[in-house]
Amino acid sequence: EVQLVESGGGLVQPGRSLRLSCAASGFSFDDYAMHWVRQTPGKGLEWVSGISWNSGSIGYADSVKGRFTISRDNAKNSLYLQINSLRAEDTALYYCAKDKDSYGWSGTDMDVWGQGTTVTVSS
Amino acid sequence: EIVLTQSPATLSLSPGERATLSCRASQNVYNYLAWYQQKPGQAPRLLIYVASNRATGIPARFSGSGSGTDFTLTISSLEPEDFAVYYCQQRSNWRYTFGQGTKLEIK
Repeated sequence: EVQLVESGGGLVQPGRSLRLSCAASGFSFDDYAMHWVRQTPGKGLEWVSGISWNSGSIGYADSVKGRFTISRDNAKNSLYLQINSLRAEDTALYYCAKDKDSYGWSGTDMDVWGQGTTVTVSS
Repeated sequence: EIVLTQSPATLSLSPGERATLSCRASQNVYNYLAWYQQKPGQAPRLLIYVASNRATGIPARFSGSGSGTDFTLTISSLEPEDFAVYYCQQRSNWRYTFGQGTKLEIK
């Protein structure tokens, strides 16, 4: 069974850092680009970042560029999101998602999603 | 940034009826348009990719059409499990945006 399991969320003070993780199983993780997408009641779904199968191509939403860093460890079948200088507007449910097409260089559509991990930024 | 506008915001229909959901892009997205379904407490599920291709396991009652700036998701005959929120999404070279969603509710 193809599965993505996110972890690392929690309650964090503004200005602090957090690292989210996503453990993948049931597919050849190193063949696919991966994404982070967040969701809030107010702003809906927002794509945050994506990384190609070999980490050679990476993209970020303008809203997070310079504060968020995506990475992956294909040997551990894991995806990560380092979030620095957290702001209240980063409060959201963060999903990890798998690209639909193998060996994508700039991302395609997202065909498998995890259940998400919640990040709450508050003092 | 490409803005996707979905209409209507809420659609009230009965099982067995036909549903037509619209997504309009602020500029040409060619056919790089996908549709997702989301039920309460669940992650989004990919329904349609590249405007008109059904994802794996998606029933034939779901169909997508359109190109350029105007797209449509059609559910030919609503089943009880189809009542959910639907989002469109466009992509272009690590630039993704989602529409604000259409809630399909039981009338």
